[in-house]
Amino acid sequence: DIVMTQSPDSLAVSLGERATINCKSSRSVLYSSNNKNYLAWYQQKPGQPPKLLISWASTRESGVPDRFSGSGSGTDFTLTISSLQAEDVAVYYCQQYYSTPQTFGPGTKVEVK
Amino acid sequence: QVQLVESGGGLVKPEGSLRLSCAASGFIFSDYYMSWIRQSPGKGLEWIAYIEDSGGNMFYADSVKGRFTISRDNAKNSLFLQMNGLRAEDTAIYYCARERMTVARLFDSWGQGTLVTVSS
Repeated sequence: DIVMTQSPDSLAVSLGERATINCKSSRSVLYSSNNKNYLAWYQQKPGQPPKLLISWASTRESGVPDRFSGSGSGTDFTLTISSLQAEDVAVYYCQQYYSTPQTFGPGTKVEVK
Repeated sequence: QVQLVESGGGLVKPEGSLRLSCAASGFIFSDYYMSWIRQSPGKGLEWIAYIEDSGGNMFYADSVKGRFTISRDNAKNSLFLQMNGLRAEDTAIYYCARERMTVARLFDSWGQGTLVTVSS
């Protein structure tokens, strides 16, 4: 199984400041035949299910604000919130869908400082 | 809009059984692969089973293989999870999730979840 790790476990950022979350996979999730990274990011607010934010490591879902961006390739990925808003307080998970069983990272909790 | 509504959770004793249901609406259910994913404080998010659109093939995580069975009724737009031999470590919120068409294991819609508690 591909093991996903995230850092930090939690971070507190002032409103309007940048938040950066890292995700690492134990094996590459870059599929060479199509040059796509099979990596997604989800946002989970308290009492709600996860919501898909980004797929293919960097493609925002429809309706996701452009302050959210994803980057990285192979085994190392980053989710950046360029200017933190109060409504962004949540836990963020990365997930690989390169191979079954698809696996999630342990999550990073983002709070307002 | 896409809606997934789980039901059937509750308190069950170890070695007991429970059947979860997920009612789907707002999309052509028979066109999509579906999964069950659970979330517990100790283990985070864990995918546990998927079923193909026709119901012909299923796949399970090792942690539930042989104990849980995923099924679907496309005529009734419903997904099911039969859970037998329940253990304390199966305690979690269980979500049904739709997989994006043509992108296996990318979950683009989730239900609100149903809580399963395994305890004597």
